[in-house]
Amino acid sequence: AQSVTQPDIHITVSEGASLELRCNYSYGATPYLFWYVQSPGQGLQLLLKYFSGDTLVQGIKGFEAEFKRSQSSFNLRKPSVHWSDAAEYFCAVGAGTGGFKTIFGAGTRLFVKA
Amino acid sequence: DGGITQSPKYLFRKEGQNVTLSCEQNLNHDAMYWYRQDPGQGLRLIYYSQIVNDFQKGDIAEGYSVSREKKESFPLTVTSAQKNPTAFYLCASSIAARQGAFSYGYTFGSGTRLTVV
Repeated sequence: AQSVTQPDIHITVSEGASLELRCNYSYGATPYLFWYVQSPGQGLQLLLKYFSGDTLVQGIKGFEAEFKRSQSSFNLRKPSVHWSDAAEYFCAVGAGTGGFKTIFGAGTRLFVKA
Repeated sequence: DGGITQSPKYLFRKEGQNVTLSCEQNLNHDAMYWYRQDPGQGLRLIYYSQIVNDFQKGDIAEGYSVSREKKESFPLTVTSAQKNPTAFYLCASSIAARQGAFSYGYTFGSGTRLTVV
């Protein structure tokens, strides 16, 4: 069965430090992979997506993610975190026939300290 | 600006009541979705609709119902049969084409927080 695992429930980083959020997936075929961000009490916003081509993808707000097939991972990175990046981050995989089912991880909450 | 509007932002339900959450989009998207979000559990799919007058159950459809009479609208009714309805409900939409639904990702509304009182 398809699944997405985000091993870290929450992470705290200092402002200006680098960030890496982990994501592992389980899917039989070539996956469509996504990272979304959610501010408190709000909906989700798409940060970036991968489905083919260059395994390092760039997204909005200075985020990037790297697809590693051998490790079934799609980790999200940012070289320098800003206080406004504090939010919850969701990794997701597109699954199922017809392209309509997206499976979301449980999320990682990012705290940024001054 | 195009987007998804969910209303109300907060909703309180008494035991045994049915309540309806509104979701309207002006993105001209064919597909629409309802997700439930609980702390520590991510998002779980309740229902989705690929076209008008058609919808399919997701992973947790019991106690919920939907309709899709217009392309722009996909209301969700939380019935009295849903035993634990307190949650944050998110509506989303996407391009319907098989690859498009994944190629462009989803657009989400701002959510409705439902509380049973």
